[in-house]
Amino acid sequence: QSVLTQPPSVSGAPGQRVTISCTGSSSNIGATYDVHWYQQLPGTAPKLLIYGNTNRPSGVPDRFSGSKSGTSASLAITGLQAEDEADYYCQSYDSSLSGWVFGGGTKLTVL
Amino acid sequence: EVQLVESGGGLVQPGGSLRLSCAASGFTFSFYSMHWVRQAPGKGLEYVSAISTNGGSTYYANSVQGRFTISRDNSKNTLYLQMGSLRAEDMAVYYCARMGGFGDFPLDVWGKGTTVTVSS
Repeated sequence: QSVLTQPPSVSGAPGQRVTISCTGSSSNIGATYDVHWYQQLPGTAPKLLIYGNTNRPSGVPDRFSGSKSGTSASLAITGLQAEDEADYYCQSYDSSLSGWVFGGGTKLTVL
Repeated sequence: EVQLVESGGGLVQPGGSLRLSCAASGFTFSFYSMHWVRQAPGKGLEYVSAISTNGGSTYYANSVQGRFTISRDNSKNTLYLQMGSLRAEDMAVYYCARMGGFGDFPLDVWGKGTTVTVSS
């Protein structure tokens, strides 16, 4: 069981908007540690998608956005495209573990 | 080009040992903490270990504590993971990744991974 909880799967039609939640606790997200999001396309290594809750690395389309509130964070994807079909992971730092934690991952299916 | 290339994976028997390497290029290796993350077949990402820029601080997940040792050679721009007493549950793709700090920071560059198979 992951320290950060994500829904196992989400889906949406092309052009639609989907959100992926990431729920933590007072020792990680709620302790004001940042949340980062990674995209893992099939058969490839993870890639940084959102860092510091809301920031996009260079080259990441603005269709991807992140937010954080309390002990949870969310990744939103607007204007869904077939190429967005991937696994998405949230990650933060946990003070009780003195280490880093991932969410269990969410598989996005573009219908 | 910023790049991380893992090597050293392979087939090992339960109870055996293996040393993974991660060669860095295109950036100042000694400025970054380095991390190992693994992914078992069909499963999610799991943090394994981390080491600070000068090797003075390390982190191990409970699942590998006492069996794995992380190290780095800044003169060779290389990260290592010495794995011992390997179990079936250690079978995974092992990724190395860099972090611009040792704490509340993202993993901004990842390697392509190396596969460890534990089987008799």
